[in-house]
Amino acid sequence: DSGVTQTPKHLITATGQRVTLRCSPRSGDLSVYWYQQSLDQGLQFLIHYYNGEERAKGNILERFSAQQFPDLHSELNLSSLELGDSALYFCASSSSGEDTEAFFGQGTRLTVV
Amino acid sequence: TQLLEQSPQFLSIQEGENLTVYCNSSSVFSSLQWYRQEPGEGPVLLVTVVTGGEVKKLKRLTFQFGDARKDSSLHITAAQPGDTGLYLCAGLRQYGNKLVFGAGTILRVKS
Repeated sequence: DSGVTQTPKHLITATGQRVTLRCSPRSGDLSVYWYQQSLDQGLQFLIHYYNGEERAKGNILERFSAQQFPDLHSELNLSSLELGDSALYFCASSSSGEDTEAFFGQGTRLTVV
Repeated sequence: TQLLEQSPQFLSIQEGENLTVYCNSSSVFSSLQWYRQEPGEGPVLLVTVVTGGEVKKLKRLTFQFGDARKDSSLHITAAQPGDTGLYLCAGLRQYGNKLVFGAGTILRVKS
């Protein structure tokens, strides 16, 4: 158990819909990272938050957004969903604002039908 | 094009065999990490190597960071079915402090 909690574990939704994925980092960790993992793209970095502030953006679509709340949990919002958005979405946390050793949650498997 | 190229992409071996997985790049990294991911789970950090030429051992796993800090290898001795999984390398860029992942090597160890 990494100490990072993601909910829900599985999500099935229709195209055009909007979903919210939730992540609670390890106790004391200030950084939260979101990744998308698909068979053809591998693990792709989406966005990084540190202590409530956006630190870096990766390959995140405009239809996607995220935020980190004062209690340090984070949410990833995916809207106008397309079939190609089906993937595993991972949250990871680390103690500092620099990319160091990341501890991953179990992921949310999103299926868009 | 992946910044970190892992090879092979897929490896299926018999229990007891040895294997090596490679992670190569033309970029220099300040550190490199290896993760193992099992189906339905998130990646789990195995090791971080920081110094060029560094070698770290974790039981039957040996990790090496290239002298120029552009590549790394993971060697498993006497592989066991429990070693089955996706092995990912991830490099921390020297500038920009972003962690980039390779595409991974799927290892299957048959008993």
